[in-house]
Amino acid sequence: GESVGLHLPTLSVQEGDNSIINCAYSNSASDYFIWYKQESGKGPQFIIDIRSNMDKRQGQRVTVLLNKTVKHLSLQIAATQPGDSAVYFCAEIPPGTYKYIFGTGTRLKVLA
Amino acid sequence: NAGVTQTPKFRVLKTGQSMTLLCAQDMNHEYMYWYRQDPGMGLRLIHYSVGEGTTAKGEVPDGYNVSRLKKQNFLLGLESAAPSQTSVYFCASSYSRGNIQYFGAGTRLSVL
Repeated sequence: GESVGLHLPTLSVQEGDNSIINCAYSNSASDYFIWYKQESGKGPQFIIDIRSNMDKRQGQRVTVLLNKTVKHLSLQIAATQPGDSAVYFCAEIPPGTYKYIFGTGTRLKVLA
Repeated sequence: NAGVTQTPKFRVLKTGQSMTLLCAQDMNHEYMYWYRQDPGMGLRLIHYSVGEGTTAKGEVPDGYNVSRLKKQNFLLGLESAAPSQTSVYFCASSYSRGNIQYFGAGTRLSVL
């Protein structure tokens, strides 16, 4: 059964629309960021990453934007599909550490 | 193409029992991590290892021990399980700092 994300913020989008999921990170000096997708009962799955020397990076149907001024990361999913329904969370790695810091996540629901 | 493999997938323990969770990766990664995931919370780091024979404490290490005798394996031990250790446990590995962490499918542990 589902044990993750019982009280997460939820974003509901119509199938075919674009989705934007936001994340506020904690350390202004963090130099590497990752977005993960987690489906119910499964482990986190890598979507896209970005280093602090970049502002934008594009993948297949996904784009990550990094705004270091306000410590904000966003994930844009184009033409959202039912298979995109999941919990999405970001991770950062502060300087001088091996430890990744994970956000609590946002649940994306795709409406048919 | 196994990636990160965790065993067992499910386990139920009685308070005071002990068990070991096994994580194996076939990507020749140096870094390995153990996390726990609880409802409404982000992944929390228990212990990690930056190479064979090395381990270090994470955010929530109490009640857990780890060993990294072989590069490909990272074991998480619970010497005397408590109900507070009921959680989903994830293992992850990465090539180095600032690289993608790949996750296993998780171990769902209930302590009664």
